Amino acid sequence: AQTVTQSQPEMSVQEAETVTLSCTYDTSESDYYLFWYKQPPSRQMILVIRQEAYKQQNATENRFSVNFQKAAKSFSLKISDSQLGDAAMYFCASSDSNYQLIWGAGTKLIIKP
Amino acid sequence: DADVTQTPRNRITKTGKRIMLECSQTKGHDRMYWYRQDPGLGLRLIYYSFDVKDINKGEISDGYSVSRQAQAKFSLSLESAIPNQTALYFCATSATGLAANTGELFFGEGSRLTVL
Repeated sequence: AQTVTQSQPEMSVQEAETVTLSCTYDTSESDYYLFWYKQPPSRQMILVIRQEAYKQQNATENRFSVNFQKAAKSFSLKISDSQLGDAAMYFCASSDSNYQLIWGAGTKLIIKP
Repeated sequence: DADVTQTPRNRITKTGKRIMLECSQTKGHDRMYWYRQDPGLGLRLIYYSFDVKDINKGEISDGYSVSRQAQAKFSLSLESAIPNQTALYFCATSATGLAANTGELFFGEGSRLTVL
């Protein structure tokens, strides 16, 4: 069965600094997608970034970027110039053969002013 | 207006009561999902529906039932609520089709249910 592991239950970073959230996954699929979702205190889940496994180039969205290591099955999220509004739970997910998502347990990100 | 709307946003009920959580969407997506979120456990899939006539159990369907009344509407029922069903419930949708098949989910704002 597919699994997604986020080994950091909680991370903290100083405002304006850079932080990296870790995610590893296990899949037998040859083609799949990987996602990072953000859940702020308002509780709605918001897509942060998406990576297509067949693309070698790492996805970027403004201050958010990923380090996708396909052979190692690693998909970490880097947040540059951290802002107070980045404080949230971050969830990593991968799609299975039916395009359904398998979720990690989440990492709580704390931003220190 | 939100693309995926859940009602109620918050609900407190008593053990044994029947509860229905409703979800409607304006995204035109065929696929709809109900998830449950508990602290430290991430999201767990309760039920999913790929179209009006296709409903499937997820990993934690016991104690729950669903109804897909239309393409845009997908409701979750707890026939006899129990305290360990206290959780945050999310409805989500996803697109299908060659260009859209990625698995990306679009979420409602969640329904927090407390069973006393």
